[in-house]
Amino acid sequence: QSVLTQPPSASGTPGQSVTISCSGTSSNIGSNHVFWYQQLPGTAPKLFIYGDDQRPSRVPDRFSGSKSGTSASLAISGLRSEDEADYYCAAWDDTLSGPVFGGGTKLTVL
Amino acid sequence: QVQLQESGPGLVRPSETLSLTCTVSGGTIRSYYWNWIRQPPGTGLEWIGSIDYSGNTNYSPSLKSRVSMSLDTSKKQLSLRLTSVTAADAALYFCARTGDYVTSYLAWGAPRTAPLFFDLWGRGTLVTVSS
Repeated sequence: QSVLTQPPSASGTPGQSVTISCSGTSSNIGSNHVFWYQQLPGTAPKLFIYGDDQRPSRVPDRFSGSKSGTSASLAISGLRSEDEADYYCAAWDDTLSGPVFGGGTKLTVL
Repeated sequence: QVQLQESGPGLVRPSETLSLTCTVSGGTIRSYYWNWIRQPPGTGLEWIGSIDYSGNTNYSPSLKSRVSMSLDTSKKQLSLRLTSVTAADAALYFCARTGDYVTSYLAWGAPRTAPLFFDLWGRGTLVTVSS
């Protein structure tokens, strides 16, 4: 069982907006930055969001991250077929003294 | 362009030791933390541990009793050893880099940084546990 909690699945049609949630506690999300990773089928994860809401330059601005208290969200607007992937959140956990992941959310573009 | 490449035996027998290597090419290994992360088939990601250039390690509490990591700075290779493996250790094993990024600047202009977890990943190597 993962330390951070994500919904196992999410879906939307092309052009729609989708939000993926990530819930934690005061020892992880509540006191540390959140990271999001995209894992396309058969490939390694890629960093998509860091520092709660910062995007690497290669990530389209359709993707945005936010955090409030002990929860974080990844929002995707203008959904495209190439966005279909697994998305994982992560954060440092002060109690465990290491980074922890969410269980991942499989995004399906219908 | 920095690349990470994992290697090692794809099959390990139960109760034996899993040994993997990750080779860093195209860049330095200084000033970074180097991690092992695994992903059992069809499931999520699990951080195993990290090591820095000085050899300081930090292991996941759930694996700490069985895991060890080392860094060969001359070869730019990161190594993982996991003892007494069981079927639960079957997974795709990734090596990944932790860098840092600037979050703000102090009054005198010095940057304040924070860890940039897993900004670069290898392709992973699949490990099966079977007799």
